[in-house]
Amino acid sequence: RKEVEQDPGPFNVPEGATVAFNCTYSNSASQSFFWYRQDCRKEPKLLMSVYSSGNEDGRFTAQLNRASQYISLLIRDSKLSDSATYLCVVNPPGGTSYGKLTFGQGTILTVHP
Amino acid sequence: DAGVTQSPTHLIKTRGQQVTLRCSPKSGHDTVSWYQQALGQGPQFIFQYYEEEERQRGNFPDRFSGHQFPNYSSELNVNALLLGDSALYLCASSSPAKAEAFFGQGTRLTVV
Repeated sequence: RKEVEQDPGPFNVPEGATVAFNCTYSNSASQSFFWYRQDCRKEPKLLMSVYSSGNEDGRFTAQLNRASQYISLLIRDSKLSDSATYLCVVNPPGGTSYGKLTFGQGTILTVHP
Repeated sequence: DAGVTQSPTHLIKTRGQQVTLRCSPKSGHDTVSWYQQALGQGPQFIFQYYEEEERQRGNFPDRFSGHQFPNYSSELNVNALLLGDSALYLCASSSPAKAEAFFGQGTRLTVV
């Protein structure tokens, strides 16, 4: 089983749509969770951290369910500029593991007019 | 404030050759990690450097080695290149006791 699993998509949605991405992770002791965004042929950029209580940043909402080892990202009112690959990222347990990130395969999103 | 910078941006090498990639971390960051990203895949962790020592290593052969300098910059060396080493190599820096990492623009390596 992969450490971090995502549906690779692609997801094709019209502008203004709401889209949700899901991700599962295998190590129940994982301690930090993130969503990164990667544009074509560019580096991954931190979109948001994911907290147990759930967190929101504008049109983006992230949720974490530790019991189910499940992470989600909801994008509301999709914009053309949201087209990218969204990477689910987990930081494994261990005091020296900061900065060692395990990535999912990525979910491709295309927002069309 | 300069972010993470990597050089070169593109590189073409022949099978069997050796390559060195370079990374300067974001200001205030002392930890550098290297990742390999094959086409259509998420980045895979190669290793991490902290205080000039390799602190952690992923599932990569000994052909992959690295170094960190006193100014926190880092190099990734790959010996005996294989066609399968063709990928985007990403450097990420992070600050003490913080999990999130910030990436450079990457070096696209092609092995022919």
